[in-house]
Order: sequence, then structure tokens, then C-alpha cells
Amino acid sequence: NAGVTQTPKFQVLKTGQSMTLQCAQDMNHNSMYWYRQDPGMGLRLIYYSASEGTTDKGEVPNGYNVSRLNKREFSLRLESAAPSQTSVYFCASSEGPSGRNYGYTFGSGTRLTVV
Amino acid sequence: KQEVTQIPAALSVPEGENLVLNCSFTDSAIYNLQWFRQDPGKGLTSLLLIQSSQREQTSGRLNASLDKSSGRSTLYIAASQPGDSATYLCAANYGGSQGNLIFGKGTKLSVKP
Repeated sequence: NAGVTQTPKFQVLKTGQSMTLQCAQDMNHNSMYWYRQDPGMGLRLIYYSASEGTTDKGEVPNGYNVSRLNKREFSLRLESAAPSQTSVYFCASSEGPSGRNYGYTFGSGTRLTVV
Repeated sequence: KQEVTQIPAALSVPEGENLVLNCSFTDSAIYNLQWFRQDPGKGLTSLLLIQSSQREQTSGRLNASLDKSSGRSTLYIAASQPGDSATYLCAANYGGSQGNLIFGKGTKLSVKP
């Protein structure tokens, strides 16, 4: 079982460059999420998709866009990368919007450095 | 504001010791609480999920308890091993369309041989 797969695992960008982080899950989950993890700040929600066809902002959405391509895939795009976006990005999924019954499953992360 | 606090931030114990990690949350209206393990440079691995109606969950040497009224959860690790060294995160789930999963900042555990 692959679970939640994120690509790439590592990336270095120059300020102003753009890139898309990919995420796919094979658990037939309805809801998907993007978090960032920074030292001393913990994990913070960037965007989420409660179900296929819907997306909405989380706690720290500025500088990011998302696309729920289908039920399996949820991508995060940085249009013009800034050093403040240097972080570890995690994708997660849950069977329902609240993760009520089975909790959340996380991917292994993308380590992004913006120089 | 909904907040989750984990104390201590770091803990070092000798191998074989039993230990308890603490997690407290400010709003008791949780759907469930989930404990994760994170190894350096890796993702989050789910350890235990406790529903709001449950008092505890067990998996192998791990036991997690939940007391909603006091806003506390504990993760008990029996007979600790060096392989248990990692950062342990708790996350309170308040439901809603965005899931509203609020994370603590973690306890970094080091088990010395």
C-alpha cells in the first residue's frame, strides 16, 4: 500500500521561480490537505480539499495555489517562490472532511529551499 | 483559540524505562486525537487514534489515553528502546470541513542504550 505519495522529495528554487508539488493517494479518501512544517511553528494548514471539486484556504494560504485534479491527486503550486517559503511540505488525506473515523495519513514530505 | 501543547519539548531516558508523553488541548470539543511519530527528515507516521468517546487505545508497547474533561492526553511507552527515538506529535481534531487538525509542537524523545 503506497498511501500518500509526494513528489519531489527535495527541491531548491531561486527566488521568483515557480514550481508544483504533487500529491497522490490510493486510499479512496475524499479529503486532502497541504501543510507546511517550520522549526518552532509546528505544522500549519495551507489549503485543503474537503471533497473532489472543492478547495479552500487554511491558516497560511498566501503565495500558494492548489488544484484538486481528481479524487486521487491534489497539487500545490508556488507561483513566485520567496525565501519565506523555505519549509517542509506535507500532503495528507482522510476518508472524510473531518477525519472523524480513521484519522489522517501523511506523505513523506517535500523539503523545499528557496535561495 | 484552539491550542495544543506538548510538554516536555525534549526527553532523554535510558533504555528499558517506561515513559509518558503529555499533550494538553484548550478546547475539549474534539472529535478525536491522533498521535504521530516523526523520524528526522521523514514524514509523520500515525501511531494511535482515540475517538472522543474512547478513554484509551493500545498498540503493542504504546498506550494512549484521553481525558476530554481535563483537556489532556498521554502517550505511554513501555520498556523503551533506542529505536523509539523520534519526535512524537499529538494532534487534536475539531472537525469541520477543513478538518481543523491542531498540532502540538512535539516531544523529541531520545532513548540511550
